[in-house]
Amino acid sequence: GESVGLHLPTLSVQEGDNSIINCAYSNSASDYFIWYKQESGKGPQFIIDIRSNMDKRQGQRVTVLLNKTVKHLSLQIAATQPGDSAVYFCAEISTTSGTYKYIFGTGTRLKVLA
Amino acid sequence: NAGVTQTPKFQVLKTGQSMTLQCAQDMNHEYMSWYRQDPGMGLRLIHYSVGAGITDQGEVPNGYNVSRSTTEDFPLRLLSAAPSQTSVYFCASSLGRFNTEAFFGQGTRLTVV
Repeated sequence: GESVGLHLPTLSVQEGDNSIINCAYSNSASDYFIWYKQESGKGPQFIIDIRSNMDKRQGQRVTVLLNKTVKHLSLQIAATQPGDSAVYFCAEISTTSGTYKYIFGTGTRLKVLA
Repeated sequence: NAGVTQTPKFQVLKTGQSMTLQCAQDMNHEYMSWYRQDPGMGLRLIHYSVGAGITDQGEVPNGYNVSRSTTEDFPLRLLSAAPSQTSVYFCASSLGRFNTEAFFGQGTRLTVV
């Protein structure tokens, strides 16, 4: 079946280092992939998205990479800061055959060590 | 501009009770949706609406009803609460159905005893 999942449930990184959060997906027909950040007690917050016909997109301190060959999505955070500590979700939007599906992964917790 | 507002933030229900979770947005977004978040399960789509008067089922619709009489409001009704509905509920909105940037509310933590 279709699924969006994450390899690492918890990732600990030193402040100032780069972070890489990974996500595997199984629906090759998805049109968009999105990363969200969720801080404790808050709703998810949009970070960045990438269309399925792209392989890289950069934002402010973040880069999303899409490898359709192995169905892999990653979020890279440069110079990780304490404020980056949160749970990160990948999600995909699929609009196959007129149906609409917005599927979230289970999340990875990022801990930034001082 | 308040964004997406959910009420209440916390709620305890007894099994069999009914209640409505409120969601309102002031961004004139067409698309609104309800998710539940359970540990280890990510967010799962319950119901969504692509505009006033139009709703559709998501991944886990059983036990929940929605309506969309206005663009701003999208309430979620629990018909007869069950312990399996204990969860954190999030409402989200976006400009359109295929717009990737969704804005989420703060969530409602519901406990059914």
